[in-house]
Order: sequence, then structure tokens, then C-alpha cells
Amino acid sequence: TQLLEQSPQFLSIQEGENLTVYCNSSSVFSSLQWYRQEPGEGPVLLVTVVTGGEVKKLKRLTFQFGDARKDSSLHITAAQPGDTGLYLCAGARSGNTPLVFGKGTRLSVIA
Amino acid sequence: DTGVSQDPRHKITKRGQNVTFRCDPISEHNRLYWYRQTLGQGPEFLTYFQNEAQLEKSRLLSDRFSAERPKGSFSTLEIQRTEQGDSAMYLCASSLASKGINQETQYFGPGTRLLVL
Repeated sequence: TQLLEQSPQFLSIQEGENLTVYCNSSSVFSSLQWYRQEPGEGPVLLVTVVTGGEVKKLKRLTFQFGDARKDSSLHITAAQPGDTGLYLCAGARSGNTPLVFGKGTRLSVIA
Repeated sequence: DTGVSQDPRHKITKRGQNVTFRCDPISEHNRLYWYRQTLGQGPEFLTYFQNEAQLEKSRLLSDRFSAERPKGSFSTLEIQRTEQGDSAMYLCASSLASKGINQETQYFGPGTRLLVL
């Protein structure tokens, strides 16, 4: 059973378009992290959200943690080819447990 | 660069051979995690250490897998009698866990990609 469901699994868009990817669960998480992973490399941390309803911005990326801390979204404005990669969400059930990852959303931004 | 490092980056081996991977965490981090990632999947937890103590092991970690962190710094992951199903990316992550803080951020290394022929 996949605790964290990410959607869509694949997304191919044109440069300049906006997009949103989702990370959903029936479980509550104490924190949720978003990573981006390039082929053959380890995941690179983008953001950690810990408070229900929290919104964090990182340049053109906006992250939101659901009020009930069961879901999260990542919105990218004016996507660029450099945004191409695998976006992973990962949740911690408590501060002292290993991360549970979703399967990821593979984003391709075409110039 | 003082991030998490892993060695080797790639390993090709024949079925039945033993392999060992090394992870060097960020120097002040007390926690070290091992994950495995197969194609099309997110990373799956294998085991983790706090200092030198191995605190949790996943059901994914069969008897052929063993991990150590003898001095609370670097860690090794050994797979004995490798099988083709062991082919995957093995990722190491480290974090700093502090008392009273209910949230830690894990930083990942570049991974070791294993191919078992």
C-alpha cells in the first residue's frame, strides 16, 4: 500500500506554462518534504513544510501543506526546461521515523 | 563540498557475489539512513542509525543485507550472495536529530547504482 499518492505520474508541458502536482495520503504527517531528483543522482531537498496550511515559496515554486497535514501540492509558475526532473514528496509520521516517499511525478518541460 | 558522499557511484557484479557500499554523512549529523530505489519508484526505507546504534530495519532488509556504522560516522551496507532483484539505486541520507525538536530534514547522497548480472 502506497501511503503517499502522487499525481500526475507524468507531465509534459511547454516552457512558460504553469503546473501543479499533488501529494495525497489518508495518514497525517508531522512534516512533509519535497525533493527533485535528476537521473542517476540522489534526491535534492527543495522544501520542508511542518504546519497545517503552511505555504512556502521558492522563486517560481509554491508549496502548500494541507490544513489536516495529509496532503501537499507543488505549483510551478512559468516552467522552464531546467525544471525538468522527478519531483518526490516524502512524509515523516513523526520527527523520529524514516521518510515515506511517493512514487514521484516526472516532469518534462519542452523549450 | 561537505554534503553526503557515497562510494562507489556504480557497481556491476555477477549474481552470487558480495558487494559493499560506503556512505559518509554530513559531519555533524547523528542520524544515517539507507534507502533503496528501483526504476519508477520512490526511495524505500531500509535501515537507519543514530550514532552507532542501528535503531530500525525494514522488512525489505533480508538476511543477506547487513549495515554497520561502527564509529558513528561513516556507514557500510553489504549485500551477500547478490540476486538480480537487488539491482537498484542505494541511497544514503543523513540528518541531525535533536531532543525536543520534532522534525528533522534528511539530506541525500548521490547514490550507488547496483547492477546484478
